[in-house]
Amino acid sequence: GAGVSQSPSNKVTEKGKDVELRCDPISGHTALYWYRQSLGQGLEFLIYFQGNSAPDKSGLPSDRFSAERTGGSVSTLTIQRTQQEDSAVYLCASSFDSYSYEQYFGPGTRLTVT
Amino acid sequence: AQKVTQAQTEISVVEKEDVTLDCVYETRDTTYYLFWYKQPPSGELVFLIRRNSFDEQNEISGRYSWNFQKSTSSFNFTITASQVVDSAVYFCALSEAGTYKYIFGTGTRLKVLA
Repeated sequence: GAGVSQSPSNKVTEKGKDVELRCDPISGHTALYWYRQSLGQGLEFLIYFQGNSAPDKSGLPSDRFSAERTGGSVSTLTIQRTQQEDSAVYLCASSFDSYSYEQYFGPGTRLTVT
Repeated sequence: AQKVTQAQTEISVVEKEDVTLDCVYETRDTTYYLFWYKQPPSGELVFLIRRNSFDEQNEISGRYSWNFQKSTSSFNFTITASQVVDSAVYFCALSEAGTYKYIFGTGTRLKVLA
């Protein structure tokens, strides 16, 4: 079946603008994760969704970041009033369940804030 | 607390050499899972292996092998007869039963030179 898809693949925006990043998880996967990967760095956890449970937003770096997951499937990560330090690759991953299953990653969205 | 350490930031080898990537983890839980992912230059993380804490059997898959040793809290990854296509960043990750967070190491960049 199809893997995790993300759109757009690249996004260039001006400082201060809002951006929306989209993630389509693998069908049937109940867990969805967002990570941020700055140039040459590891993965920084941002937010986690599991089924209908309240998401864990503890990794979001500021209140400019928010995410939602509609119908237990597609997720959108929104960054308001973007700053240059938001420039990074934003990765989405899904898994069949949490903790015991491997995550499958999308290709990422490369965000550049000018 | 959970922690994953990949002390090797970058390794360079010549094609056909064997190479071992180290991963040391910390956890207080008795039930946990360990993972390895590959991130080639294209950027998309690829799942390689999952191992649960009750299974210390080493695993071999083609040129890849994994050595899990609970006594030293290590889950090392060996590539035999390395090839240029093995050039990538490799991440080790840990998750504990009862938690959804995956803790990733900082990654090891492997360069295989022709």
